[in-house]
Amino acid sequence: AQSVAQPEDQVNVAEGNPLTVKCTYSVSGNPYLFWYVQYPNRGLQFLLKYITGDNLVKGSYGFEAEFNKSQTSFHLKKPSALVSDSALYFCAVRGVGSNYQLIWGAGTKLIIKP
Amino acid sequence: GAGVSQSPRYKVAKRGQDVALRCDPISGHVSLFWYQQALGQGPEFLTYFQNEAQLDKSGLPSDRFFAERPEGSVSTLKIQRTQQEDSAVYLCASSLSRSYEQYFGPGTRLTVT
Repeated sequence: AQSVAQPEDQVNVAEGNPLTVKCTYSVSGNPYLFWYVQYPNRGLQFLLKYITGDNLVKGSYGFEAEFNKSQTSFHLKKPSALVSDSALYFCAVRGVGSNYQLIWGAGTKLIIKP
Repeated sequence: GAGVSQSPRYKVAKRGQDVALRCDPISGHVSLFWYQQALGQGPEFLTYFQNEAQLDKSGLPSDRFFAERPEGSVSTLKIQRTQQEDSAVYLCASSLSRSYEQYFGPGTRLTVT
């Protein structure tokens, strides 16, 4: 079965420290992977995607993600966290056999403390 | 440029009422998606349009849910005889084509009382 797991419901990081939000997936074949962020009372905003090529993908707002095929992971990272990064983060993977349906993780709440 | 817009942003309906939720996708985006999102959860797929054709409606929870995109641009999600379990945020997303990243609107929060 195809699935996406975000093992942490919440991640707490001090401002200025590096942050990591974890995502693992289970999809046969080559996955298309996405990260989205959701601020309160707002829709989801696209951050970055991995389709093919370099395993390290750079996205919006200084975020990056590393694709690791052997570990089937696509962790979201940022070298120095800002208080304004506090939000809900979703990982998604495009399912095999579909070229449009996304399978979503349950989300990770990121809290950056000043 | 303008993003995806949705209206209304908030809707309160009495149980049994019909509601219509509107989505204006980004101009030129061929693909349009509707999702249902429960509080603190990821989006749940409802339906997918390519231009005016509804290619997948497998996620619609019941035959009370109906979506259309008659001219391949604006889309409307209609829910007939609303029930309390329909209370959720309804998100619309569009993309250049089905394989590209999706851009989301702000959502419509539906509360059924």
